[in-house]
Amino acid sequence: SQQGEEDPQALSIQEGENATMNCSYKTSINNLQWYRQNSGRGLVHLILIRSNEREKHSGRLRVTLDTSKKSSSLLITASRAADTASYFCATDGENNAGNMLTFGGGTRLMVKP
Amino acid sequence: DGGITQSPKYLFRKEGQNVTLSCEQNLNHDAMYWYRQDPGQGLRLIYYSQIVNDFQKGDIAEGYSVSREKKESFPLTVTSAQKNPTAFYLCASLNREEGSYNSPLHFGNGTRLTVT
Repeated sequence: SQQGEEDPQALSIQEGENATMNCSYKTSINNLQWYRQNSGRGLVHLILIRSNEREKHSGRLRVTLDTSKKSSSLLITASRAADTASYFCATDGENNAGNMLTFGGGTRLMVKP
Repeated sequence: DGGITQSPKYLFRKEGQNVTLSCEQNLNHDAMYWYRQDPGQGLRLIYYSQIVNDFQKGDIAEGYSVSREKKESFPLTVTSAQKNPTAFYLCASLNREEGSYNSPLHFGNGTRLTVT
């Protein structure tokens, strides 16, 4: 079962614009993570935000978390063509004894030069 | 460099044959995971192992088997019982902190399996 669902499923923007992707989840969490996947490759971890945090920054990335709405957003500022990839949110369950992450379906971002 | 190696990158098999996908890590991580990814989809958990000689079923374990005889190795066998085996398979590992889940997953670059 998918815990997280990303929105939109696909996003196309021009280089230099900002890209915002949203993630909604269903159950309580300890933390939420965002990953990036280039076509045909493995996933790369971008950022982790804990359930007691509201916002986190890493370079051009900004992640917010609203536990009352069970949602998170990933903002990529000043996008570049190299940001073209799929982006996934992943959540653990609050009572996750198996240390498992559950991934959403991803947002496919295309940044046009 | 530490990392996760999946081999081969592409694998082709005839229907009815079992096939084993390799996953090796030199990160000294305790936990390892296998995920399946279908085109345009997210990841679904097949099996995971938190320690040597122990593993648990994930959401879609039917038709798959694993072993964890060594800390660094977690091979996945796709059996002939798996009805739709063609997919992209991703292996990952995790450095568990005691009592919490605060570490990211490290992924290999995947094996694309095609069964005809």
